[in-house]
Amino acid sequence: DIQMTQSPSSLSASVGDRVTITCRASQSISRWLAWYQQKPGKAPNLLIYKASSLESGVPSRFSGSGSGTEFTLTISSLQPDDFATYYCQQYNSYLFTFGPGTKVDIK
Amino acid sequence: QVQLVQSGAEVKKPGASVKVSCKASGYTFTGYYIHWVRQAPGQGLEWMGRINPNNGGANTAQKFQGRVTMTRDTSISTAYMELSRLTSDDTAIYYCARSDGYRSSIDYWGQGILVTVSS
Repeated sequence: DIQMTQSPSSLSASVGDRVTITCRASQSISRWLAWYQQKPGKAPNLLIYKASSLESGVPSRFSGSGSGTEFTLTISSLQPDDFATYYCQQYNSYLFTFGPGTKVDIK
Repeated sequence: QVQLVQSGAEVKKPGASVKVSCKASGYTFTGYYIHWVRQAPGQGLEWMGRINPNNGGANTAQKFQGRVTMTRDTSISTAYMELSRLTSDDTAIYYCARSDGYRSSIDYWGQGILVTVSS
């Protein structure tokens, strides 16, 4: 199975900050990478699919980039509703894998 | 609207099996994969596998091969996941979720159910 890593594992930021989270795959996954946001006690919510496509209804301050083995999620201006945990997820050879998550909290 | 409604919480003893259900509504059940994802308390998301309701074909994460069985009943738009030989490490919230065959990402999730394994 492909392994996923994320960095950092946690970060503290202020409202209005630009935030970048990195996700790396143990082998190339082309652009089969998605990003999710999860808040405590809730199911995850899809933000980005196919590395850079914004899911319908997701604010445009979220963006994704990358291909192959390295990907980034960027929040251009952090809002109070964005404090949450973010997960990347890959798809390859009929299997999915999630990254370990990045917790974004208030500085 | 799309809904995935899961069965209720379960408490099981070590060594037992658990079977959870996921009833889909608001879309064509056979047109989307159903995934099973779990989350242990305070931990991250762990993908277990997926089933194609159209033909019953399944893909399972290596970790769960031989221990998880995914099935579906298209007549009632319901998917099932059975996990056997439970240990305390299987205590988690179990989610069902759906994806299409094109974006390879999960767009709708069930509410999640807590499975507790305890003697």
